[in-house]
Parts: sequence; structure tokens; C-alpha cells
Amino acid sequence: EIVLTQSPGTLSLSPGERATLSCRASQSVGSRYLAWYQQKPGQAPRLLIYGASSRVTGLPDRFSGRGSGTDFTLTISRLEPEDFAVYYCQLYGGSFTFGGGTKVEIK
Amino acid sequence: EVQLVQSGAEVKKPGESLKISCKGSGYSFSNYWIGWVRQMPGKGLEWMGIIYPGDSDTRYSPSFQGQVAISADKSISTAYLQWISLKASDTAMYYCASPGAPAVMDAFDIWGQGTMVTVSS
Repeated sequence: EIVLTQSPGTLSLSPGERATLSCRASQSVGSRYLAWYQQKPGQAPRLLIYGASSRVTGLPDRFSGRGSGTDFTLTISRLEPEDFAVYYCQLYGGSFTFGGGTKVEIK
Repeated sequence: EVQLVQSGAEVKKPGESLKISCKGSGYSFSNYWIGWVRQMPGKGLEWMGIIYPGDSDTRYSPSFQGQVAISADKSISTAYLQWISLKASDTAMYYCASPGAPAVMDAFDIWGQGTMVTVSS
């Protein structure tokens, strides 16, 4: 079973700064089946990115995803106040494993 | 509007059984995979399993195989997550979720609001 490891566990940044979140797979997963979600307290997760780099409709372009094989990255170019949340990567397409999450908190 | 509406919060005792539900509307429920995700208090997301209501094809995460049962009744556009004998460690928020495209195991584009299950003596 493929394991997804996210780092760092917590990212302390200020609004306007750049956030770089990592998701590493224990074996190659290609690029097609990797997604990123955002979850705010008390809310269900929200899909942001699928296929490693495709943004869902309406997602601001400050969010970008890239990667293939075993290493994937979610970048938020300039943090807005509403971006402080927990972010999860997920493998899908047969198994739907989630990473452990990265909390982006206000510094 | 496409949505998944889950049943309400539950408080149960260890050893009791439970079945929670997730009703889809605004789309062809039978043709979309629907999954279940656990989130224990203060913890991350864990995929439990997924079902295709059209033919009840069901896949389980190895971590949850034998611990829960997933089913669906396509006639009423509802998926279920069931326990025979609850444990305190089953205390969690449970989400149902579905891909945004039919007949593919895609990323979860649509989420229910969650059902909180509390198991305590």
C-alpha cells in the first residue's frame, strides 16, 4: 500500500508570504492521480487540485500544484487570510490514501 | 444543485450497532462512486472505502476491511456506513464524498457535511 508523507507538519507564515507544501509517495504514482484538499475548522474538506496540477473551477491562481513520480508540491504564491487551513494530499484511482496533512498557520 | 446530505449526529455505547447514511441529490447517484472518510478528533483524513451504487461494487481500505460495511440503495440514492459492534475508538467525524465525474474513481469533488459519531459508556 502506498503511503503519502506530507511535510512540514506545520507551516507558520504571514499573509502575503509564499507557502510550499510537500507530499512524498512511498512509490511512484505517476502524476494523474494526485489531489490536494483544503480543510478549515468545522468544515468538510474542499478539493483544490487534481491530476497533480489541475485547479478546480474557480480556484484562485495563487494556488498551484506540480510534481510527478513520488514528489508533489502545492504552492500558494501569496497567502490570503482565508488560506490559513490544513491541507491534505490524496492518491486516488483505486486506493484513496490521504497524507497526514500540513497545517498552515498565521505567524 | 449537486449535494450529499448525511444523517445526524449519533451517540452510542460500546458494543452497539449503527448505520449512518448519505443521500445524494441533483445528479445520477447510481453512476457515481461514493466513498467514506473518517476523521478522528484533531486528526487527519482516512479513506475507509468506496462503493459504486450502480452494481454495489465495493472496495475497502485494508485498515477498515472487516471493521465496517459499506452499502447503497440506488432506488433512494443513499449510501450507508455500518458497524456491528462499536468501539470507543470509532468516535470520529465521518464524511461521504463523491467524484465529480460519473463511473470513475476520481478525486472527491462533492462532500457531505459529515456525521459525528460518539461512542462512550
